[in-house]
Amino acid sequence: KAGVTQTPRYLIKTRGQQVTLSCSPISGHRSVSWYQQTPGQGLQFLFEYFSETQRNKGNFPGRFSGRQFSNSRSEMNVSTLELGDSALYLCASSWTQLVAGIYEQYFGPGTRLTVT
Amino acid sequence: GQQVMQIPQYQHVQEGEDFTTYCNSSTTLSNIQWYKQRPGGHPVFLIQLVKSGEVKKQKRLTFQFGEAKKNSSLHITATQTTDVGTYFCAGGRGNNNDMRFGAGTRLTVKP
Repeated sequence: KAGVTQTPRYLIKTRGQQVTLSCSPISGHRSVSWYQQTPGQGLQFLFEYFSETQRNKGNFPGRFSGRQFSNSRSEMNVSTLELGDSALYLCASSWTQLVAGIYEQYFGPGTRLTVT
Repeated sequence: GQQVMQIPQYQHVQEGEDFTTYCNSSTTLSNIQWYKQRPGGHPVFLIQLVKSGEVKKQKRLTFQFGEAKKNSSLHITATQTTDVGTYFCAGGRGNNNDMRFGAGTRLTVKP
């Protein structure tokens, strides 16, 4: 089974531009979550999508948005980039079997975004 | 708002010694996840705890969720050099909603 893939792996953008990151989950996983990781703030939860619906959102401004397609692939968009948006953006897909109490989550390698 | 505090920030041990990292939340959690991240790598999901007082083991790793569901710990018995990395906890409310991560504990192991 292929793992979680993220594209692009590296990206350099200029302040004020916008960016779209892509995440392809593990086949069969319907939940995709996005995270931001920086040396200063650590890991922070952005949002989670399940079956094309945003199930929850972390404490980020509206410049950060996402969506999920019918094949569970997800995109994350950041508009009007700021220097502070430079970070590693991680996505993770997960699978839950509530009755059996099983939960598994797998991260992609991340997209390293640099804003200059 | 919900905060998750994780201690210690760093831990350096001799190979074979035990290691424990602790997470405490200011609010009751519905679940807690633990992750390991090697330098230059992405987080790897280790486990999810859901039940009050739950204890789960994975080989040399023991995970606990407190009775009040406000604290959790990860204990590694007889550390090995392969255990090196940063261990994060993340507390969630209701189906991983609004997950908050601890700052992580960076473990180094001297052979």
